[in-house]
Amino acid sequence: KNQVEQSPQSLIILEGKNCTLQCNYTVSPFSNLRWYKQDTGRGPVSLTIMTFSENTKSNGRYTATLDADTKQSSLHITASQLSDSASYICVVSATGTASKLTFGTGTRLQVTL
Amino acid sequence: SQTIHQWPATLVQPVGSPLSLECTVEGTSNPNLYWYRQAAGRGLQLLFYSVGIGQISSEVPQNLSASRPQDRQFILSSKKLLLSDSGFYLCAWSFGGTSDTQYFGPGTRLTVL
Repeated sequence: KNQVEQSPQSLIILEGKNCTLQCNYTVSPFSNLRWYKQDTGRGPVSLTIMTFSENTKSNGRYTATLDADTKQSSLHITASQLSDSASYICVVSATGTASKLTFGTGTRLQVTL
Repeated sequence: SQTIHQWPATLVQPVGSPLSLECTVEGTSNPNLYWYRQAAGRGLQLLFYSVGIGQISSEVPQNLSASRPQDRQFILSSKKLLLSDSGFYLCAWSFGGTSDTQYFGPGTRLTVL
């Protein structure tokens, strides 16, 4: 069964600090992995997408890594801002199945003063 | 550019009442369309997807149904709502074919009392 697990479930950090969110998956055959940011009460917005051959990708202060061998990904946020407060969702897609995305339950990040 | 709309943004309905949520996409033709539900503390669950007018695939048996009367219109319905239908409903679209990058709408918060 395809699964995506994220940790931690929630996280509170001070503004300006860095943090790393984790994603482990068991999706086969693997196509790509995305990180989404979801503000409260809004739809998710894509941050990064990585295929099998990519092991790092950045989008501003967000840097995602992928280890396809261990089936792990991380999202690193640098110099956090209050606007980074949101849920971060790891989504893994299986090859050849456009409709079959497996979603993690997300990490709820709160950035405080 | 493409945009996706959902309405209403919030809805409070009594148990046993009907439901109709609407989703429209602008700026593209023949998109794949998706309905997801996000329960509190849970990951997104794919309910339905459609690759064309009148073509609906159901992912989980439930009290809901979907229809696609026009190319860029996707409707989620129920004849009689249950308490368990409460949640955050998200519509998403992707380009047709094998592309699986999905773009989400703003969502509808449904509370069944």
